[in-house]
Amino acid sequence: EPEVTQTPSHQVTQMGQEVILRCVPISNHLYFYWYRQILGQKVEFLVSFYNNEISEKSEIFDDQFSVERPDGSNFTLKIRSTKLEDSAMYFCASSRDDTEAFFGQGTRLTVV
Amino acid sequence: QKEVEQDPGPLSVPEGAIVSLNCTYSNSAFQYFMWYRQYSRKGPELLMYTYSSGNKEDGRFTAQVDKSSKYISLFIRDSQPSDSATYLCAMIGSARQLTFGSGTQLTVLP
Repeated sequence: EPEVTQTPSHQVTQMGQEVILRCVPISNHLYFYWYRQILGQKVEFLVSFYNNEISEKSEIFDDQFSVERPDGSNFTLKIRSTKLEDSAMYFCASSRDDTEAFFGQGTRLTVV
Repeated sequence: QKEVEQDPGPLSVPEGAIVSLNCTYSNSAFQYFMWYRQYSRKGPELLMYTYSSGNKEDGRFTAQVDKSSKYISLFIRDSQPSDSATYLCAMIGSARQLTFGSGTQLTVLP
């Protein structure tokens, strides 16, 4: 069964460093998303991406964040100058039709 | 008022019981309603997806949407210990992004 793949599963980084979280969406999907879940809190929308551009972003997705689809298969989330409060699970998701979204297993980001 | 409200539980039931999980919402623009299952430190897994009001059944799972009351439910029949997880409701409106509830933690006791 096709699935969304995320790497790494766990990333530890020092405050102020840049991190890149990687995702391989399901191959015939056209819509891509990043969500995050701070421990004990709700899953929150960060950004959606379609046709090689951002279609929507939340207030959380400020200038420290960026997304890219560098080739036909990967979808990345870059966080510049990480802060302690960026520690969370980051989930990539993809959808064929912008409704049913399938999630990856997540990357646990720990900022120390 | 929160856009999506979900009782966090925890909810414990004996094996074989019927489980009822519920969410209420305030945004009339929500059109698509999902239920996800999430195991500890894993990604949400899509269980059910419905559009507009009505019922949808898939095996032991039934999703119900009542848009007039802004209320959605997920029923699990013949619950199994493997159903123990956190269940998240989620909704999509005119902004094509999922708005999640806080999740209900379910334990099915053998």
